Amino acid sequence: DVQMTQSPSTLSASVGDRVTITCRAGQNINSWLAWYQQKPGKAPKLLIYKASSLESGVPSRFSGSRSGTEFTLTINSLQPDDFATYYCQQYNSGPWSFGPGTTVEIK
Amino acid sequence: EVQLLESGGGLVQPGGSLRLSCAASGFTFSDYALNWVRQAPGKGLEWISVISADAERTYYADSVKGRFTISRDNSKNTISLQMSSLRAEDTAVYYCAKDRDAYRNFDSWGQGTLVTVSS
Repeated sequence: DVQMTQSPSTLSASVGDRVTITCRAGQNINSWLAWYQQKPGKAPKLLIYKASSLESGVPSRFSGSRSGTEFTLTINSLQPDDFATYYCQQYNSGPWSFGPGTTVEIK
Repeated sequence: EVQLLESGGGLVQPGGSLRLSCAASGFTFSDYALNWVRQAPGKGLEWISVISADAERTYYADSVKGRFTISRDNSKNTISLQMSSLRAEDTAVYYCAKDRDAYRNFDSWGQGTLVTVSS
C-alpha cells in the first residue's frame, strides 16, 4: 500500500499570503496525484489532478507541482474562501489513499 | 450538472447491517466507475470501495473487505453499499464519488450520509 504524508498539519496564514503544502508518497506514484479542498460539513472538491493539472472552474491561484515523490500545492494570494482543509490523494495503485490533511487557518 | 445523492444512513447497533444508496444524474452513468469514500468524525478521508462502469470489477479497502459489498444498477443510475457486521470504527460520513476519468481521482461527490454505529 502507498503511504501518503502531508506537512504541515496546520498552517496559519493571512489573506494575500502565498501558501505551500507538501505531500510525500511512500513510493513512486508517477504523477498520479490529486489535491482536494474540504470545508467543514461539506464534501471535498477536486482542485488539481495528475499532479499539476487544474480542474475546470478552479481559480488559477491554485497550482500543483511534482519533484520525484514529493508534491506541492501552492495557493498564490490566499483568499478568504481558501481557508479550509486540503488533502492529497494518490491514484497510482489501489488502495487509493489520501494524505492526513493540512488545515489552512486564519492568522 | 452532475449530482450524486446518498441516502440510507442512520444509527445502527454494533454487529448490525445497513444499506446505503447513491442516486446519480447529469452524466452518462454507465461510462464511469463510482466509489465510496468515508470520513470518521474529525478525521481524514478514507477510500473504501469502487465498482467499475460495467459492474464487472469491485475493489475494497482491507478495513471493509468481507463485510461490505458494493453494487450498481445501470438501468436506475444508482450504486449501493451493503454494510454488515458493523463496528464502532465504521462510524463516519459516507460519500459517493465519481471517477474523473479512467483514473481513480474524484471530480464529483455527494453531500454524504452519516452512519453511526453505537449501542
